[in-house]
Amino acid sequence: AQSVTQLDSQVPVFEEAPVELRCNYSSSVSVYLFWYVQYPNQGLQLLLKYLSGSTLVKSINGFEAEFNKSQTSFHLRKPSVHISDTAEYFCAVTQSDRGSTLGRLYFGRGTQLTVWP
Amino acid sequence: NAGVTQTPKFQVLKTGQSMTLQCAQDMNHEYMSWYRQDPGMGLRLIHYSVGAGITDQGEVPNGYNVSRSTTEDFPLRLLSAAPSQTSVYFCASSRQGSNTGELFFGEGSRLTVL
Repeated sequence: AQSVTQLDSQVPVFEEAPVELRCNYSSSVSVYLFWYVQYPNQGLQLLLKYLSGSTLVKSINGFEAEFNKSQTSFHLRKPSVHISDTAEYFCAVTQSDRGSTLGRLYFGRGTQLTVWP
Repeated sequence: NAGVTQTPKFQVLKTGQSMTLQCAQDMNHEYMSWYRQDPGMGLRLIHYSVGAGITDQGEVPNGYNVSRSTTEDFPLRLLSAAPSQTSVYFCASSRQGSNTGELFFGEGSRLTVL
């Protein structure tokens, strides 16, 4: 089975500052990795994902994450945050082999990002 | 496009009562699942289904039943509610053959058990 550790439960930052949300995973097999975002009183939305190929993946709103297999990490970064980025962010992992139950994601406990003016 | 629709959005129960949380998706997704979200615990998988007639347990299945009679619907039943089941419940679906694991979530159902 896989597991995900999000090292920070709360990350407060000021607007326009850079931010990094940390995620480490544990798995004995190849994985797909995801970051989901949850705005207040809403469901989760996919922010970005790593499936294969380039280890650096980007979202349309300026976030990026880098898959590091040796460190089993998938940290999320943004060089300059906005107040609208305030949300809870979840890292998730699933097995990538075709024999697995695809779509069975294992989530971390979440990181609340709060951006202050 | 409705996506994943959950009802009700809010529910208050007394201990021992039963109820069903409804989930429907209109994307013809094979895979559907139920998660519960508790503060500091992230999302934990309750039950999931890879197609009509096929269900399986997730990480925290005790106290919950599911069935999948159609591709579109995946109801979650609480037979005898307990205060420990106070939580926000999310239904999610995905295309089984997409090989991406990406889930599409409903907006959640907030359940309080007194």
